[in-house]
Amino acid sequence: GNSVTQMEGPVTLSEEAFLTINCTYTATGYPSLFWYVQYPGEGLQLLLKATKADDKGSNKGFEATYRKETTSFHLEKGSVQVSDSAVYFCALSDRANAGKSTFGDGTTLTVKP
Amino acid sequence: NAGVTQTPKFRVLKTGQSMTLLCAQDMNHEYMYWYRQDPGMGLRLIHYSVGEGTTAKGEVPDGYNVSRLKKQNFLLGLESAAPSQTSVYFCAHKESLAQETQYFGPGTRLLVL
Repeated sequence: GNSVTQMEGPVTLSEEAFLTINCTYTATGYPSLFWYVQYPGEGLQLLLKATKADDKGSNKGFEATYRKETTSFHLEKGSVQVSDSAVYFCALSDRANAGKSTFGDGTTLTVKP
Repeated sequence: NAGVTQTPKFRVLKTGQSMTLLCAQDMNHEYMYWYRQDPGMGLRLIHYSVGEGTTAKGEVPDGYNVSRLKKQNFLLGLESAAPSQTSVYFCAHKESLAQETQYFGPGTRLLVL
């Protein structure tokens, strides 16, 4: 079956530091890949997505590139802010499997001033 | 709120009691999902629906039932609650199989004593 593996957290960074959160996946078909973000006490919301190999998703300074050869979708941001503190989930969506999504375990990011 | 509300926000149950969680979306989307979120385990799919009148089992369906009598509502029932069902429950919806972004509700926190 499909699976998503995220780098374990928690991750603590100082403001303006560079962020990388690793994500790799296993899928039988050609899934779409997503990063969702969850702020305290809220549901998940879409941060960015990529639907095919070599696509780059970007939003709010975050980027991730769909790498089919390494089955990866690592999240990066050049300069984090305190407001980026949240839990980040990598996920895949499989249209061949009724569009069901598989989520990673989440990575908690804390950014200190 | 991503066009979705969840009721209630928080509930405490005793073992063996029953309850129903309600998810209501106002975006006329076809697909709806129920997930549970437990610490360090990401989101796990309980049940889902691909349209009004349809339901299907997800990854962890045991102990739960669902109904989708109206397109905008997706109900999750616990017939006899167990402490292992203590969790945060999230409802999500998406427009169609091709539109893969999911929109999440704010969550229902359930404590079973």
